[in-house]
Amino acid sequence: DGGITQSPKYLFRKEGQNVTLSCEQNLNHDAMYWYRQDPGQGLRLIYYSQIVNDFQKGDIAEGYSVSREKKESFPLTVTSAQKNPTAFYLCASRTPSRNTEAFFGQGTRLTVV
Amino acid sequence: AQKVTQAQTEISVVEKEDVTLDCVYETRDTTYYLFWYKQPPSGELVFLIRRNSFDEQNEISGRYSWNFQKSTSSFNFTITASQVVDSAVYFCALSEAWSNYQLIWGAGTKLIIKP
Repeated sequence: DGGITQSPKYLFRKEGQNVTLSCEQNLNHDAMYWYRQDPGQGLRLIYYSQIVNDFQKGDIAEGYSVSREKKESFPLTVTSAQKNPTAFYLCASRTPSRNTEAFFGQGTRLTVV
Repeated sequence: AQKVTQAQTEISVVEKEDVTLDCVYETRDTTYYLFWYKQPPSGELVFLIRRNSFDEQNEISGRYSWNFQKSTSSFNFTITASQVVDSAVYFCALSEAWSNYQLIWGAGTKLIIKP
């Protein structure tokens, strides 16, 4: 089945550690996105990528890094520079040129312990 | 400036009532798309509908209906005979041609359906 898969579902991080969230899609979508959602809040764009080997910062990129080495994969690293990383992280993909809807993964809930 | 406004932060109704979620957008583009998504407690966003700026026909899908009015820049979502399973956060989003169709999200409306 086509879809977008995020892993892990829950992630615990000690302060000062980097962690990487996985996002894989088999929908052949060109663009991929990472959003952060805090409790009771909307979606805030962290990074997005429209093509392989290229990505742009979103509204809250500080403390995060990404790579897009393959069309299917867009991992997000939450670095120790991110001071308040506890949040729900959502990955999405779509093909903007066709104005398709975005497909979302199930999300990763990251908690700093 | 907010380009997609969902002024209702939270709505609470009793089951079987009808409820309308408002979405007001701002754009100078003549070509744009509007979307509605549902986010149940599990967290994953579920796509509900996409509407382009050239199609002002209202859409009905079961208990769901959407009213797109360019004159008031609104794309409102109505649930008829609400059910407890409709409880979720609902997001409206806009994508515009000039920005290469990047998605701009509203803040979301939390809908609580009480039994």
